[in-house]
Amino acid sequence: QKEVEQNSGPLSVPEGAIASLNCTYSDRGSQSFFWYRQYSGKSPELIMFIYSNGDKEDGRFTAQLNKASQYVSLLIRDSQPSDSATYLCAVIPYNNNDMRFGAGTRLTVKP
Amino acid sequence: DGGITQSPKYLFRKEGQNVTLSCEQNLNHDAMYWYRQDPGQGLRLIYYSQIVNDFQKGDIAEGYSVSREKKESFPLTVTSAQKNPTAFYLCASTPRRRLTFRAFFGQGTRLTVV
Repeated sequence: QKEVEQNSGPLSVPEGAIASLNCTYSDRGSQSFFWYRQYSGKSPELIMFIYSNGDKEDGRFTAQLNKASQYVSLLIRDSQPSDSATYLCAVIPYNNNDMRFGAGTRLTVKP
Repeated sequence: DGGITQSPKYLFRKEGQNVTLSCEQNLNHDAMYWYRQDPGQGLRLIYYSQIVNDFQKGDIAEGYSVSREKKESFPLTVTSAQKNPTAFYLCASTPRRRLTFRAFFGQGTRLTVV
């Protein structure tokens, strides 16, 4: 079982719709969770981080964490073509200080 | 401005040759990481270091070596033992304290075997 799993996509949504990206992780003790956006050929940039169960909102982005079910999700409201990118989920396992990434979900927002 | 600098941006390696990728940060971060990314794939951890003169292997360390002689620098050497080194390499750093674990990435080095 991979430590961090994401659907590779591609996920395609129309402009203005809600995009929902999901991530599951295997280390139950993990405490820090991150969503990064990566445009093709570029380095990842942090969008959201979440540490506590529940929802965290920042503009059009909402991160959701459910530690009991070991999943974290990212919702993008009012999706724009500029949101088209690969979204990487990252987790820091409890016993380590290294970041573990999922394979990423490629999102396409169609005008 | 603080940040992470990777060099070179593009690197070409001949078969059997060792090459070194540079990563320098001026963020005063304790931890530094090297990741490899293949087309359409996520980031795979090669090595990471939490303090000077100490580093740990990640998932795909074979064929790579690192050093951490200074806090600011974490160079990665791709040795001839790495049979398929063509990839995009990313260096990152984080503060050591968990609650401020935002990672900063360099702009990446694209390595191609010719």
